[in-house]
Amino acid sequence: ELKVEQNPLFLSMQEGKNYTIYCNYSTTSDRLYWYRQDPGKSLESLFVLLSNGAVKQEGRLMASLDTKARLSTLHITAAVHDLSATYFCAVDIRFAMGPRVGGATNKLIFGTGTLLAVQP
Amino acid sequence: NAGVTQTPKFQVLKTGQSMTLQCAQDMNHEYMSWYRQDPGMGLRLIHYSVGAGITDQGEVPNGYNVSRSTTEDFPLRLLSAAPSQTSVYFCASSYSASGRYEQYFGPGTRLTVT
Repeated sequence: ELKVEQNPLFLSMQEGKNYTIYCNYSTTSDRLYWYRQDPGKSLESLFVLLSNGAVKQEGRLMASLDTKARLSTLHITAAVHDLSATYFCAVDIRFAMGPRVGGATNKLIFGTGTLLAVQP
Repeated sequence: NAGVTQTPKFQVLKTGQSMTLQCAQDMNHEYMSWYRQDPGMGLRLIHYSVGAGITDQGEVPNGYNVSRSTTEDFPLRLLSAAPSQTSVYFCASSYSASGRYEQYFGPGTRLTVT
């Protein structure tokens, strides 16, 4: 059974500190996504990681993907209160009977999320 | 573009009632999906579609039906609502042209079954 595990589940940080959220997955995939969700809102796409070694950065967030280790990380640098939200990773399941293009199925399995609270 | 739209925003049903959650997108995306989100859990895939006329089951399909007669619309039908279907439902769409398959999510429908 496919599992996507995030840790920690809850993270309380002080402003200005650095921290990393980990996303482990149990099946082959070379496509991983990070999303942000504010309370009561929908999901906002942060990063799309398409290959082994991919690294993407946007502001204080940096995401990376190691497909051999089946691990992605979301690193937060010098946290600010505005980053408080729930962060989800999601893995695209690749299976033999995928649709027409490239074998990707666009069938996402989500981690349970990491609730990040940045304290002043 | 309106993006991905969902109606209704909120709904209360009694056990055994049926209803359809509507989802539409105006971006000409070929892929569409339905997820449910329960407290303390990530999103779980209910059904998805890779194009008009093509649908398949996700992780938690029981109690739900879908069809995709047009590229734009992907309704989710609850056949006989149960309290276990109380959840927030998100619809998403994506496209393959960029190779990213990045999913765009609708605003969600909050469903309570009593």
